[in-house]
Amino acid sequence: EDKVVQSPLSLVVHEGDTVTLNCSYEVTNFRSLLWYKQEKKAPTFLFMLTSSGIEKKSGRLSSILDKKELSSILNITATQTGDSAIYLCAVEYREGDNYGQNFVFGPGTRLSVLP
Amino acid sequence: DAEITQSPRHKITETGRQVTLACHQTWNHNNMFWYRQDLGHGLRLIHYSYGVQDTNKGEVSDGYSVSRSNTEDLPLTLESAASSQTSVYFCASSEQRGPNNEQFFGPGTRLTVL
Repeated sequence: EDKVVQSPLSLVVHEGDTVTLNCSYEVTNFRSLLWYKQEKKAPTFLFMLTSSGIEKKSGRLSSILDKKELSSILNITATQTGDSAIYLCAVEYREGDNYGQNFVFGPGTRLSVLP
Repeated sequence: DAEITQSPRHKITETGRQVTLACHQTWNHNNMFWYRQDLGHGLRLIHYSYGVQDTNKGEVSDGYSVSRSNTEDLPLTLESAASSQTSVYFCASSEQRGPNNEQFFGPGTRLTVL
């Protein structure tokens, strides 16, 4: 069964801390791994990772994929209260001869950044 | 600007009633998806469509149906609403076979089944 696991499920830090969120997956025919940030609205896209070992960076956020370990991490440096959100990891895979998009989402990590 | 919208944003209904949630996107995307989000489960795929007249079951499709009569719309129908279907529902769309597989999400519909 295809699945995505995220850890920790919940995390409380103080402003200025650095956090690392983890995502591991078990899927066949992996295509890509995506990170989303969800606040009190629909998730917003952060990163899409397809190649192992290549870090993607956007401001204080960065992410990297390890295909050998079937995992990815999302780092947030110098956290701010505005980073408080649920961070979702999703994996896209190909199913049989279906070349469309198939996704499985993890349960999310709830990050709370205290002032 | 292109966008994806959902309606209604909030809905309260009774068990056994039929409910339809609307999703409309103006990106001309071929792919459209319906998810439900519940605490502890993250997003779970209900149904999806890769184009007009195409529909496919997702992970939690029981009790739900969709139809795709045009590119812009993918309405989600609960044939006989159950309390277990109380959830927040997200619709999403994406380009097919594009270099960026990013999904664009609607604002969500909060459904309460009493």
